[in-house]
Amino acid sequence: GENVEQHPSTLSVQEGDSAVIKCTYSDSASNYFPWYKQELGKRPQLIIDIRSNVGEKKDQRIAVTLNKTAKHFSLHITETQPEDSAVYFCAGPSGGGADGLTFGKGTHLIIQP
Amino acid sequence: NAGVMQNPRHLVRRRGQEARLRCSPMKGHSHVYWYRQLPEEGLKFMVYLQKENIIDESGMPKERFSAEFPKEGPSILRIQQVVRGDSAAYFCASSRDIQETQYFGPGTRLLVL
Repeated sequence: GENVEQHPSTLSVQEGDSAVIKCTYSDSASNYFPWYKQELGKRPQLIIDIRSNVGEKKDQRIAVTLNKTAKHFSLHITETQPEDSAVYFCAGPSGGGADGLTFGKGTHLIIQP
Repeated sequence: NAGVMQNPRHLVRRRGQEARLRCSPMKGHSHVYWYRQLPEEGLKFMVYLQKENIIDESGMPKERFSAEFPKEGPSILRIQQVVRGDSAAYFCASSRDIQETQYFGPGTRLLVL
């Protein structure tokens, strides 16, 4: 099965509300978890990442939490704005000795005005 | 400080032709990754290279696809005898070291007629 699973696939929130996207992983050796934002027709851009030696990291309205025991990590966006509308991807190591990143299937975040 | 460069940005090929996609990593980055993205889908890891070496090609189709990263010049992803199913966006990313942040190029959108 997939090494990284992401939920939900689509998330619609009112402008100003918070959005939470969750990912689970299966490789217990994983220690680096980035989140990317991809706007339509553009490249994925790193918005925040976390390493396994910390449980939470914040950057203004964006935060990521990591639960190593449960093998899941989450992206939190507070005070959402229209420009937050995009597809968000979590990623983790591919596992099985492979060196690339395995991406979740993505969450299409829609900010309702 | 130029980011990751890819060319061409758009490529149209007829079935049976060859496609060559180029990627120049960020300055100081010696690790290059290729990913494929189908419409409305996530990013699929294809291959990871360092200068003159293929480190991990576990995501690469066994036939028709090859990749290289020569000592001088860009990394090349080569698709021989293209088929319609090869139509996708191909993204290259680079990093300074393994499990460091990967920065993505703008992608090459391949259309096979």
